[in-house]
Amino acid sequence: GESVGLHLPTLSVQEGDNSIINCAYSNSASDYFIWYKQESGKGPQFIIDIRSNMDKRQGQRVTVLLNKTVKHLSLQIAATQPGDSAVYFCAEIQGGYQKVTFGTGTKLQVIP
Amino acid sequence: DVKVTQSSRYLVKRTGEKVFLECVQDMDHENMFWYRQDPGLGLRLIYFSYDVKMKEKGDIPEGYSVSREKKERFSLILESASTNQTSMYLCASSFPGDPRTGELFFGEGSRLTVL
Repeated sequence: GESVGLHLPTLSVQEGDNSIINCAYSNSASDYFIWYKQESGKGPQFIIDIRSNMDKRQGQRVTVLLNKTVKHLSLQIAATQPGDSAVYFCAEIQGGYQKVTFGTGTKLQVIP
Repeated sequence: DVKVTQSSRYLVKRTGEKVFLECVQDMDHENMFWYRQDPGLGLRLIYFSYDVKMKEKGDIPEGYSVSREKKERFSLILESASTNQTSMYLCASSFPGDPRTGELFFGEGSRLTVL
């Protein structure tokens, strides 16, 4: 019989608009968070990180917000460009030894 | 530029075959990891190694083994491939004591199809 694949949630954004990608993490003991970007056919690449003692961190065109009360992380991309089209996923890190849990990802499609 | 190289981008194997996936990093990193990536499931850790000849099971080690004979090389072995091991396999490395504590450097991935 036919198998149905699991589809990633997709966010479609007009070029030049701002994008917001959300992530719910699972462990309140997680002390470090990273956003990764994965372009088609490539491995994931680091975008930005944040420690649990912060609630906001800014990079170039990207901002990460952390809300520990509701265990929520978001990635904001300003002035989204076609090159931002990719799958984005968050990672939470717990404890001393690189215990990393990845989210399932959101696909960002930029409409020219 | 940091570099993690996976030897095969695409492989097609038959059920029961032995499969080797090779990964080499040129950053002198202590830590190396093997993940598999499946739609809707995210990245799941198979095995990791924090030193030569050391290995630790990750979340889904069944059906896999690893080898780390040299610091720069971490191999994933499927002793007898099965169709449910069809997946994208990602190798990663990191340096302990990195002030960012946790950034992983990934290879381009090896897409394995088991028929």
